[in-house]
Amino acid sequence: DVKVTQSSRYLVKRTGEKVFLECVQDMDHENMFWYRQDPGLGLRLIYFSYDVKMKEKGDIPEGYSVSREKKERFSLILESASTNQTSMYLCASSNGGAEFYNEQFFGPGTRLTVL
Amino acid sequence: GDSVTQMEGPVTLSEEAFLTINCTYTATGYPSLFWYVQYPGEGLQLLLKATKADDKGSNKGFEATYRKETTSFHLEKGSVQVSDSAVYFCALSKNTGNQFYFGTGTSLTVIP
Repeated sequence: DVKVTQSSRYLVKRTGEKVFLECVQDMDHENMFWYRQDPGLGLRLIYFSYDVKMKEKGDIPEGYSVSREKKERFSLILESASTNQTSMYLCASSNGGAEFYNEQFFGPGTRLTVL
Repeated sequence: GDSVTQMEGPVTLSEEAFLTINCTYTATGYPSLFWYVQYPGEGLQLLLKATKADDKGSNKGFEATYRKETTSFHLEKGSVQVSDSAVYFCALSKNTGNQFYFGTGTSLTVIP
C-alpha cells in the first residue's frame, strides 16, 4: 500500500514564524503535491513537483515555498506565517512523470492554526 | 479552463436511503474522472475512477458512470450506511497538462 505521511497532524504557530510542513511517500512516486483545504473552497493547489529539485506553482503559491531535495520528501515552507494561512494542508503523491492523470494518494493532513 | 462542479451540501439521509451526488465537468480533450472520499479527521482516499467515456467505476457499493454527452460523473449508492458519512470530492485529470481539478466537496451525513 502507498503510504504518504505528514510530519504533524496539528500545529499551532504565531504570526511571523517560519513554518515547515514535511511530507514523505514510500512508493517511489515522481509527482508530489501540496494543497490547502478550506470550507466551501475545496482543495486548492499550492505547489507541485514532478522530479527532484523541480517545482511548479499551483493556483495559490503566494506566501509559500517548497523544497524537494530527495524523491520521497516534499516540504512546504511558510516563510512568515499569517493568520490567513490557518488551514488544513494536504500532501499527495502520484506516479507517472510529468503526466498527472494517475490517481493521487493523500496524507492524513496537517491542521495549522496561526495565532 | 478545466473545472469540476458538484452539488452543494450538506446532504443528510436516513440509513438505507438512495444516494446521488451530482458532478459535472468542463474539460477539453479526454479527462479521467475520479471520486475521492474524506472521512472525518483523515486525508482523501480514492473511492472510484473512470478513464474513458461510458466506463463505470464502482467500489464499496458506490457507482459512477462517465457520461461524455452530458459531461457528468454522478455518484450513486443504492443503500447508504452510517459509516458512509464523509465528504465526497469529484475530480478530473487529463493525460496532458499537469493538474488535478477538484470539486468543492459534498458533505454527507447518514443518520440511523
